[in-house]
Amino acid sequence: DGGITQSPKYLFRKEGQNVTLSCEQNLNHDAMYWYRQDPGQGLRLIYYSQIVNDFQKGDIAEGYSVSREKKESFPLTVTSAQKNPTAFYLCASSIDSRSTDTQYFGPGTRLTVL
Amino acid sequence: AQSVSQHNHHVILSEAASLELGCNYSYGGTVNLFWYVQYPGQHLQLLLKYFSGDPLVKGIKGFEAEFIKSKFSFNLRKPSVQWSDTAEYFCAVNKNNQGGKLIFGQGTELSVKP
Repeated sequence: DGGITQSPKYLFRKEGQNVTLSCEQNLNHDAMYWYRQDPGQGLRLIYYSQIVNDFQKGDIAEGYSVSREKKESFPLTVTSAQKNPTAFYLCASSIDSRSTDTQYFGPGTRLTVL
Repeated sequence: AQSVSQHNHHVILSEAASLELGCNYSYGGTVNLFWYVQYPGQHLQLLLKYFSGDPLVKGIKGFEAEFIKSKFSFNLRKPSVQWSDTAEYFCAVNKNNQGGKLIFGQGTELSVKP
């Protein structure tokens, strides 16, 4: 069953702690993306990766970090420097990073920082 | 700032009513346009996209969208909605020279009353 998995579905952390969100895809896609979804603001791009061992900042990268050591995995770390980390985080992938490519989304992780 | 605007935050319709959701963008040059949909409890998925050719694009489930370059618009339409169309709809844009970097609108929540 091909697709994108994100875990966990819900995550709770104390303020000041770093937390890592998992994203795995078995679609053999080269490009992967992380978005943040807030009510009334749509989705905003945090980081994206066009190929293994490469990634670029999106529009709201401050307070976040990523790695892309394997093609199928693109974990996102929400650091203590992120001022407002409570949000719904969506991971996506596409065949490659052409601008016409369809992006396929995972189910999301809802992070709540207490 | 470059942006994507969806005019309606929440639309409520009765079954069989016609639907039009507005989307405007502020980018110059060549763009690619997408509508994504998020049904309750499901992943965000592609409804339709436009990148060249006929400006009237047909998507899944009877949806269509028209690209009007002079108006910087890509409105989504459906002649007769069903209760199962209840979802959140997102317009997204990227520029041809920016790879997979999508800029999303704020989203429109559609509620269809049976």
